[in-house]
Amino acid sequence: SSELTQDPAVSVALGQTVRITCQGDSLRSYYASWYQQKPGQAPVLVIYGKDNRPSGIPDRFSASTSGNTASLTITGAQAADEADYYCYSRDSSDNHVFGTGTKVTVL
Amino acid sequence: QVQLVQSGAEVKKPGASVKVSCQASGYTFSSYGINWVRQAPGQGLEWVGWISPYNGNTNYAQKFQGRVTLTTDTSTSTSYMELRSLTSDDTAVYFCARDLMNAMASWFDPWGQGTLVTVSS
Repeated sequence: SSELTQDPAVSVALGQTVRITCQGDSLRSYYASWYQQKPGQAPVLVIYGKDNRPSGIPDRFSASTSGNTASLTITGAQAADEADYYCYSRDSSDNHVFGTGTKVTVL
Repeated sequence: QVQLVQSGAEVKKPGASVKVSCQASGYTFSSYGINWVRQAPGQGLEWVGWISPYNGNTNYAQKFQGRVTLTTDTSTSTSYMELRSLTSDDTAVYFCARDLMNAMASWFDPWGQGTLVTVSS
């Protein structure tokens, strides 16, 4: 089955830029979507498709893909961005998988 | 607005079954699939399965095959997840989420608020 691997934790200074990566073979064929989850809350979609933000998501969130690696970038990180972030993708065999998750700390 | 509202927390004994509901509003229920995802305490997200309210087609994660059943009731715009033969490993928050997709991507939006299922003797 497919796997999506993320770094367990990253930190970023307030106002600086942080990139979160997600690696997996399915990303060669399908774009990842990205979810922000704060403690005790349901996940929230922040990026879908090539680089699309749902209504209400700040434009400091962006995404890119190269080969088997998808990236979520937060440009000018805010205290409100401190959360867990998960990537998700499906593959050609209709397997659905979430990444292992990355905890983002804003210093 | 598009919204998914789930049923309340459950406490079950090992070996029992649980049925969680997810009621949709704000959109045409039969036009979008519903995914179920769970999160054990302190752990990541795990996809459980998907159902099409349009025709009842389902797709389950291999791990849950034979133990989970997803259903829908289009008259009430509600999706249900039933999980049987519960063990302590099934203790988790269970989320439903609307399925959206195109040829190159799939994504979930919005999510329900989550339902805590606790399995304990």
